[in-house]
Amino acid sequence: QVQLRESGPGLVKPSETLSLTCTVSGGSITDYYLSWIRQAPGKGLEWIGYIYYSGSASYNPSLKSRATILLDTSKNQFSLNLNSVTAADTAVYYCAGVLIRQPGGFDPWGQGTLVTVSS
Amino acid sequence: SYVLTQPPSVSVAPGQTARITCAGNNIGSKGVHWYQHKPGQAPVCLVYDNSDRPSGIPERFSGSNSGNTATLTISRVEAGDEADYYCQVWDSSNKCVIFGGGTKLTVL
Repeated sequence: QVQLRESGPGLVKPSETLSLTCTVSGGSITDYYLSWIRQAPGKGLEWIGYIYYSGSASYNPSLKSRATILLDTSKNQFSLNLNSVTAADTAVYYCAGVLIRQPGGFDPWGQGTLVTVSS
Repeated sequence: SYVLTQPPSVSVAPGQTARITCAGNNIGSKGVHWYQHKPGQAPVCLVYDNSDRPSGIPERFSGSNSGNTATLTISRVEAGDEADYYCQVWDSSNKCVIFGGGTKLTVL
């Protein structure tokens, strides 16, 4: 059973870069489209972007090119960098995957990690 | 960009049927996925590709999609179904994942 787990700092200062890593276990990272999704307090789910085994990535235009998603196949991990953060980037951040050979909904998901942007 | 519209809230008595809608321009031409999200937990995919259920998801959860509206139907609603529900599609024109705004299901 494939499992995803997010890790990274829980507190980031305004204007700095938020960096998170998602570790995939029980399966190969190359089998999935891998996404980052977040939920700000009191808000709905917001897709940040995805990457897949070729390294090709796509992002939510609303983030105005602040997001970068990278793949590390040797560690079975992928990461998110979000620069120039503000309080509006405070959210629970989830990593999630879609099986390439059977595209459908996001399954599995990580448990989520809360990131607070504050000085 | 493509927009999905859900009602903010739906209320239903235990044992009854809840229907949560997701409206979008010609959404019937897209594959719609539905998620259940409870506080403090990761979202769970209930329905994918309009009407398929992942293994382990009860048959009480079903989906349909036609025209400009997709619908998640929850039969024989239980107290444990109280959660936020989200629809989601892939916008191929903009290569973006789109989520609906979410619907809070209250079990009376």
